[in-house]
This record gives sequence, C-alpha cells and structure tokens, in this order.
Amino acid sequence: GNSVTQMEGPVTLSEEAFLTINCTYTATGYPSLFWYVQYPGEGLQLLLKATKADDKGSNKGFEATYRKETTSFHLEKGSVQVSDSAVYFCALSDDPGGYQKVTFGTGTKLQVIP
Amino acid sequence: DAGVIQSPRHEVTEMGQEVTLRCKPISGHDYLFWYRQTMMRGLELLIYFNNNVPIDDSGMPEDRFSAKMPNASFSTLKIQPSEPRDSAVYFCASTVRGALHFGNGTRLTVT
Repeated sequence: GNSVTQMEGPVTLSEEAFLTINCTYTATGYPSLFWYVQYPGEGLQLLLKATKADDKGSNKGFEATYRKETTSFHLEKGSVQVSDSAVYFCALSDDPGGYQKVTFGTGTKLQVIP
Repeated sequence: DAGVIQSPRHEVTEMGQEVTLRCKPISGHDYLFWYRQTMMRGLELLIYFNNNVPIDDSGMPEDRFSAKMPNASFSTLKIQPSEPRDSAVYFCASTVRGALHFGNGTRLTVT
C-alpha cells in the first residue's frame, strides 16, 4: 500500500535559517504529492502540491520538487520566520482526481526561535 | 466562505458513554472525510463520503464507530460506547476536486 515517511521532529531553527524537511514515499503509479501545515489548535491547510515528476510546488517561500527517481518530495525554505512554527505533513494521493484518499506522513514539528 | 465547521471543539466524557461529533462541510463540496489524529498513530482516515454516500469505511476501527451524512451540509461521527483509547482529535475535511479543507477538529477525552 501507499506510505509516506518524513523526518522525525521536532526541528528547532533560529530565525532566518535554512529549512529542509525530508519526505519519501512509496506508491504504485504516479501519485500526486502534497505538503500540509498545521498551526496550533487548527486543522491542516494545504501548503503546496505537485502532480507529476519534476514539478516544483511553491507557496509562501516554501518549495518542494517531485523527484520520481528518489521517490522524494523534500520541503525547503531559504529563511524561516517565527510565524512558520507549526507541524508540517507530507502526503500523497493516487486517486485519478488527485485529492481523495490522501495518505499522510506522521508530521514534523518545526519550532523557530527569534 | 465559513470553512468547515466542527462541533464541539472539546468533549470530555466517561467511558461507556455515547459521543457524537458533528461536521458542516463547505457548501458545494461533494467529498467529506473523517480523520483521527493521535500522537502514536498520526492522522488516520476513518471514512469518507461522496455525494452523501459512504465510499470507504475501511479505516473505521470498530463497530463502536459509525458515521452518517444525511444531507450535503451535515455529517456525524458517533462512538458508542466510548473507551479511553478513543481519546484523540477528530477532524472533518471536505473538498471538491481540490485540496482538502479541514475543520479545527474536536478534541475528545474519554476518562
């Protein structure tokens, strides 16, 4: 079956540091890949997505590239802010529509200190 | 757009009691999902509906759990009887061929 593996947290960074959160996946076919973010006390929100190999998703300074050869979708940001402190979830879906029956990773907590 | 609305935000109940969680999806969304989030198991998909019809309930842990969607604007997740291991945050999400939109969740504590 499908699965998503992401690096264990928590990750603690100083403001303006570079961020990488690793994510690898196992799936049949050509899944769509996502990063969701969860702020304290809230539900998950879509951060970015990529639907085919070599696509780069980007939003709010975050980027992730769909690497089929390494089955990876690592999240990066060049300069983190305190407001980026949250839990980040890597996810995939192999439904033709691209969004149903999403499989989530376990989440990586990011804490950014001033 | 009011977003996905869940109620209650917090629920504390005693073991053996019936618990009902409620969800109002975003108007026009035809898919509705129920997830459970715990530290140990992360996010688990319990069940999802399309046009009010349950499509896949393979994630429902036991017969104690049931979910209904009587119309396009309302869904319930019921646990009867509840047990301490059901303590978790339960999320409802909806979508129409797009990203999942999550509610803020119901934090359930069963003592």
